Amino acid sequence: AQKITQTQPGMFVQEKEAVTLDCTYDTSDPSYGLFWYKQPSSGEMIFLIYQGSYDQQNATEGRYSLNFQKARKSANLVISASQLGDSAMYFCAMREGGVNAGNMLTFGGGTRLMVKP
Amino acid sequence: EPEVTQTPSHQVTQMGQEVILRCVPISNHLYFYWYRQILGQKVEFLVSFYNNEISEKSEIFDDQFSVERPDGSNFTLKIRSTKLEDSAMYFCASSERRDYIHFGNGTRLTVT
Repeated sequence: AQKITQTQPGMFVQEKEAVTLDCTYDTSDPSYGLFWYKQPSSGEMIFLIYQGSYDQQNATEGRYSLNFQKARKSANLVISASQLGDSAMYFCAMREGGVNAGNMLTFGGGTRLMVKP
Repeated sequence: EPEVTQTPSHQVTQMGQEVILRCVPISNHLYFYWYRQILGQKVEFLVSFYNNEISEKSEIFDDQFSVERPDGSNFTLKIRSTKLEDSAMYFCASSERRDYIHFGNGTRLTVT
């Protein structure tokens, strides 16, 4: 089974509107972390947001927020007020295990977001 | 804002040659990583490094690969004898703890 599933290969959003990028994960470990990264066409990987499995509140970083639904094992990224510069590939990733576990990230297949003017 | 720096941005090498990819992690970070992304595919974990030793590695990270932290600031990935299928974008990453893992801009390796 896939550990990280991003079901939307491509999405369009109108500039200034909000958009939700889906991510579901599969783990039996009670301790894990979830990450979102942005990859523009230039290729770099830009860290956006992190959510720990024990965090009580949903993570937020500026226009990015993570809709963490633990029971559903979903960690959707919400981008508010989309900008043209948000057009990029977005990757969800997971780290499993507690303090003594490794830090390996498992990535999903990505969602290509295109912001329309 | 401090960032992970990778050099070169693009490296072309011939099959069978050794290549060294260089990274300068963020200065107060303790955990270091290498990932790769073959064109159009998922990002894949190669290796993590902590306390001057490999803490975890994937099946991809075979005897052809090695990592080193030669001088306390640089972190290198060496591929001893490159193959065509090693062509990919290689990302270095670092973190202070186990969250907030920051990636560099990547080195695009092309093996001909």
